[in-house]
Amino acid sequence: NAGVTQTPKFQVLKTGQSMTLQCAQDMNHNSMYWYRQDPGMGLRLIYYSASEGTTDKGEVPNGYNVSRLNKREFSLRLESAAPSQTSVYFCASSEAEWGYEQYFGPGTRLTVT
Amino acid sequence: DAKTTQPNSMESNEEEPVHLPCNHSTISGTDYIHWYRQLPSQGPEYVIHGLTSNVNNRMASLAIAEDRKSSTLILHRATLRDAAVYYCILGYSGAGSYQLTFGKGTKLSVIP
Repeated sequence: NAGVTQTPKFQVLKTGQSMTLQCAQDMNHNSMYWYRQDPGMGLRLIYYSASEGTTDKGEVPNGYNVSRLNKREFSLRLESAAPSQTSVYFCASSEAEWGYEQYFGPGTRLTVT
Repeated sequence: DAKTTQPNSMESNEEEPVHLPCNHSTISGTDYIHWYRQLPSQGPEYVIHGLTSNVNNRMASLAIAEDRKSSTLILHRATLRDAAVYYCILGYSGAGSYQLTFGKGTKLSVIP
């Protein structure tokens, strides 16, 4: 039981490049989330998916798109990376739509130069 | 959305109890109080949550004030593994969703 897994662990992009961050969970959870954490700051919600087939914007969605591929997988895409998107990205999942108890992945450290 | 206020940092001696305070004076009647912690270079980890009554689990206890404007996370015996940033969060419902808004948290240092 791996919990929440994220790939890649590290990534360096040049401004304007695109990439997709992958997230998968094996806990049969309904809801999944993408957060970003800037240095010395708390986490901010980018997008979430309350259930398979639905996605909604969080606090900071600009510059990102998401896809809930199936119940297990939730990907985050940067279409044209900018230095302001340099951050650590965390994926999380929760059993309930009301995400009282969220389980987090290990994070992806992204640097945009 | 309701906000929380926590001290930036706290210290505790190993094997002693730790009381981490959180103020949330604008909490609404339906807001749950959540605590998460984040160890260095890891994702956050759920600790505990509650609504009105005090709560206990294997990791910690949550004491909620009668007026719900403050709460305290209690670690009964701090260990070196408990050194982390602790986040007090109010979950709120908005636009058909339930969201957690993380602040900066309290950095707990445990002294051997």
